[in-house]
Amino acid sequence: ETGVTQTPRHLVMGMTNKKSLKCEQHLGHNAMYWYKQSAKKPLELMFVYSLEERVENNSVPSRFSPECPNSSHLFLHLHTLQPEDSALYLCASSQSSGYNSPLHFGNGTRLTVT
Amino acid sequence: DQQVKQNSPSLSVQEGRISILNCDYTNSMFDYFLWYKKYPAEGPTFLISISSIKDKNEDGRFTVFLNKSAKHLSLHIVPSQPGDSAVYFCAASAMSGGSNYKLTFGKGTLLTVNP
Repeated sequence: ETGVTQTPRHLVMGMTNKKSLKCEQHLGHNAMYWYKQSAKKPLELMFVYSLEERVENNSVPSRFSPECPNSSHLFLHLHTLQPEDSALYLCASSQSSGYNSPLHFGNGTRLTVT
Repeated sequence: DQQVKQNSPSLSVQEGRISILNCDYTNSMFDYFLWYKKYPAEGPTFLISISSIKDKNEDGRFTVFLNKSAKHLSLHIVPSQPGDSAVYFCAASAMSGGSNYKLTFGKGTLLTVNP
């Protein structure tokens, strides 16, 4: 496999559930990201990991918990979400978190919180 | 407060004609600009970029123009093809602590190229 792979593609969960989103990149990149895309809103950066260290936490509620066990894998653990958290969650990677390093996105997980 | 604005939610052009997608920004610290294209059910894919030290970058049918004084950039696609129909996101990059850069995205413009 090549590129950035996200699983699952679709997820429906209740507000009391715990679930995890998974992202894997096969590009040899050193930085990984979680973005959220809500309807009629720009992509919002949630978290950035560079060389497995979190370098950005964009004021995201604690019910979202990222984990980066190595430079190829990124998880987003979800716990007691709200209906307004329903959105498309996109994972991305880049060669570095530095200047002019374009992001390579996965196809996203469409999350619905009921 | 939106720092990157794409004021046209949609644009429709005829095949073979030029498509011009516009983007305005407010943060003067932005120093690198990118365009991404997104098809339905897929993630965005990188299209073209431009550094703030340039005013034009060209890659095949795609050209990005940057007007720093106006804080405006545009993406020109010529000739437009039906396969170009997608949502186009403008993004701008600024330093975010240390050596890390943060991308800020616009809301996107849906381009439809009619055969």
